[in-house]
Amino acid sequence: SQKIEQNSEALNIQEGKTATLTCNYTNYSPAYLQWYRQDPGRGPVFLLLIRENEKEKRKERLKVTFDTTLKQSLFHITASQPADSATYLCALAIMNRDDKIIFGKGTRLHILP
Amino acid sequence: NAGVTQTPKFRVLKTGQSMTLLCAQDMNHEYMYWYRQDPGMGLRLIHYSVGEGTTAKGEVPDGYNVSRLKKQNFLLGLESAAPSQTSVYFCASRPRTAPRETQYFGPGTRLLVL
Repeated sequence: SQKIEQNSEALNIQEGKTATLTCNYTNYSPAYLQWYRQDPGRGPVFLLLIRENEKEKRKERLKVTFDTTLKQSLFHITASQPADSATYLCALAIMNRDDKIIFGKGTRLHILP
Repeated sequence: NAGVTQTPKFRVLKTGQSMTLLCAQDMNHEYMYWYRQDPGMGLRLIHYSVGEGTTAKGEVPDGYNVSRLKKQNFLLGLESAAPSQTSVYFCASRPRTAPRETQYFGPGTRLLVL
């Protein structure tokens, strides 16, 4: 079965630095991969999507890369701020089965002032 | 637009009791999902629906039933609650047409089974 692993349960980053979160997957190639943000007591909120034929996607201070050879996506937040502190979830849709989306366990990011 | 709403926000049940969680969306989305989120386990898909009148099993369907009688509503039922069903339940929806990939989540229902 498809598995997703986010390499850290928690990550502490100094304010102003770049935070990099990792998402690895096994088995099938996903049709696309997504990143969500989740704040305590709230539902996840969609941030970015990257397709299997894309290498990189950007949105303001956010950047996502996708390496299908390594079966890995990296999520970067540049010039990080304390307000970026949250849990970040990686999710993928299985090729030809994209009515199902599988989520990783998430990484809790703490931006230290 | 209210987006995705969930009722109730919080509930305490005794083992063996039944209840129904309601998810409603006003975005005319075809796809709807029920997830549970537990510490250290991430979001796990319970059941989903690709349209009115259709449902399918996800990763962890046992102990739950669902119904999608109206396009805007997706109900999750627990017939006989067990302590293992203590969790936070999230509903999500997304459209079939572009932009079709983004899931919109509700605020969650916190369920405690004693």
